[in-house]
This record gives sequence, C-alpha cells and structure tokens, in this order.
Amino acid sequence: AQKVTQAQTEISVVEKEDVTLDCVYETRDTTYYLFWYKQPPSGELVFLIRRNSFDEQNEISGRYSWNFQKSTSSFNFTITASQVVDSAVYFCALRCIEEYGNKLVFGAGTILRVKS
Amino acid sequence: DTGVSQDPRHKITKRGQNVTFRCDPISEHNRLYWYRQTLGQGPEFLTYFQNEAQLEKSRLLSDRFSAERPKGSFSTLEIQRTEQGDSAMYLCASSLSGASGTEAFFGQGTRLTVV
Repeated sequence: AQKVTQAQTEISVVEKEDVTLDCVYETRDTTYYLFWYKQPPSGELVFLIRRNSFDEQNEISGRYSWNFQKSTSSFNFTITASQVVDSAVYFCALRCIEEYGNKLVFGAGTILRVKS
Repeated sequence: DTGVSQDPRHKITKRGQNVTFRCDPISEHNRLYWYRQTLGQGPEFLTYFQNEAQLEKSRLLSDRFSAERPKGSFSTLEIQRTEQGDSAMYLCASSLSGASGTEAFFGQGTRLTVV
C-alpha cells in the first residue's frame, strides 16, 4: 500500500528561525515521485517541488531545501529564515506508477505558523 | 487567469439535494483530477480523466457521485442525495500527460456544506 506520514501536525516558530517539515513514505514500487505542496488560507494547493525515486540529490531553491533519503524513505523540507508569509499547511505527496496510475497520495499535512 | 478555476467556491445545500461543481483546467492540460479534502486531512483522490475518458475511480466515489468531462475540456462533479458526510472541500487539478512525474496544478476548490 502507498502511504505518506507527516508526523508533525503543527509547528510554530518565530520569524527568521529555520524549520524542517518531516515526510516519511511507504511504497513497494521502484519508480515513484515525491512532491511538496503548500496550501495557504486561500485553499489553493501550490506546487513546490517534485523528485523522482532515482534522483537522491538534494535541492535548494532560495530559502527552501529538500533532503531525499531512500534509505529511510524520507523526503524532508527545510525553510531557512522563515517568514510570516510561509505560514500555511504543507503537504507531502507520493505518486507511484506501477500500481496506482497517476493519482497523488497525500499526507495529512503540517500546519506551519510563523510568528513575527 | 490561466490557472485551474472552480465554480462555485462555496456551496451550502440541504441534505438530500443534488449539487454540481464545475472545473476548468489549464487549457493545454489533458489530464484532470478530482480530490476531496476534509478538515485536518490531506486531499484524497476521487477520479481522473485523460481527455474525455475517465480512467480511474476511487472506491471513495460512491454511486451517488458522478463525474464527466464531455469534450475533454471542463469537468463536472455531481453529488446526488447529499449527506452530511459529503461536507468537504472538493479540489480539481490538471496536468499534462507524458512523464508521470508531471506536477498537477490545483484550483482553489469548492467548499461544500451539507446542512
């Protein structure tokens, strides 16, 4: 079965702090894709990053960075020097090809509150 | 606006009534998805179209739910005889076909409240 676990329900930080959002996934497929989405209060899910199962290279985009480790089935997301505008719900998602076609399996999300 | 648009944004209905939601995907996207999101949870897959063909349906999609994409462009999701448990945010997404890692772009959703 495909599953995504985001153990942190809610995280509160003060502006400029670094914060890491954890994501652990389960799949028996060898080919899969991992995603992070941001959901601000407006409700629209905003795509942040995609990573395929053959590419374990970490990625940095501005204040955002992602750490993908197949050995621990984790795909963690770090925001450096957090800002109030980063406050949102963040979802990690998994797409497997062999069994489940094209649908995304989402974790329950982590609410991030950044206080000024 | 060239993103995914959904209509209406909010819908309040009485139990037992039928409701229909519309989704207009990004114009060049041939894949369209419907998801349902309840409070405190991540979106759950409901169904998926490639062009006008409905290729996959979740077991969550009871026979009261039906989705169409008649011309391979916009899609509608109808819920018949609504129940209070249907109250949720209904999200539509679209993507290009090709590489399965292609990201899906989401609309702002339709929030359904069944009273």
